[in-house]
Amino acid sequence: GIQVEQSPPDLILQEGANSTLRCNFSDSVNNLQWFHQNPWGQLINLFYIPSGTKQNGRLSATTVATERYSLLYISSSQTTDSGVYFCVGGGSEKLVFGKGTKLTVNP
Amino acid sequence: EPEVTQTPSHQVTQMGQEVILRCVPISNHLYFYWYRQILGQKVEFLVSFYNNEISEKSEIFDDQFSVERPDGSNFTLKIRSTKLEDSAMYFCASRGRGSGNTIYFGEGSWLTVV
Repeated sequence: GIQVEQSPPDLILQEGANSTLRCNFSDSVNNLQWFHQNPWGQLINLFYIPSGTKQNGRLSATTVATERYSLLYISSSQTTDSGVYFCVGGGSEKLVFGKGTKLTVNP
Repeated sequence: EPEVTQTPSHQVTQMGQEVILRCVPISNHLYFYWYRQILGQKVEFLVSFYNNEISEKSEIFDDQFSVERPDGSNFTLKIRSTKLEDSAMYFCASRGRGSGNTIYFGEGSWLTVV
């Protein structure tokens, strides 16, 4: 089955810094999403992005489907950005989570 | 934003007891999923359900697990005889038809087996 690798596993930033999170897939995927898991455990949908680039405020994402990777950019990070960021991808029947990037933003 | 709702939010059960976790997917969605997350670990796929039958399941989804969609709106996960290692957050999710649809997750049901 599809393997999803995320890097880095942990990231510590000062408030205001920018960061890039990466997700690599072992095979082509029809569906790709980025989620933020907040400290209460909720999975917050950030982007549905099987290809191309999207932006939403301070967050943006780019997926290069032909090279099987996706990037999530966080600019001017805030303490509320802390949590775990998951990349999820696959077909219709099964979407696989990466192990996540744990982001800590310090004031 | 559309919402998947799950109940209960938290359940404590004795080992060996049966548990049913309930989910109301987004109306007009066609694909339904259950995932679980053991504390501090990754989110693991359990099962997907489409057209009133299981379309794919993981090796975790053994005979003690079952899913059904009893009334066209609810989607349930039953664990027949709970074990301590079943303690986890269980997430329900749904998505629409086709490959161009976002998957939406519920807020999860915490299951603690004692």
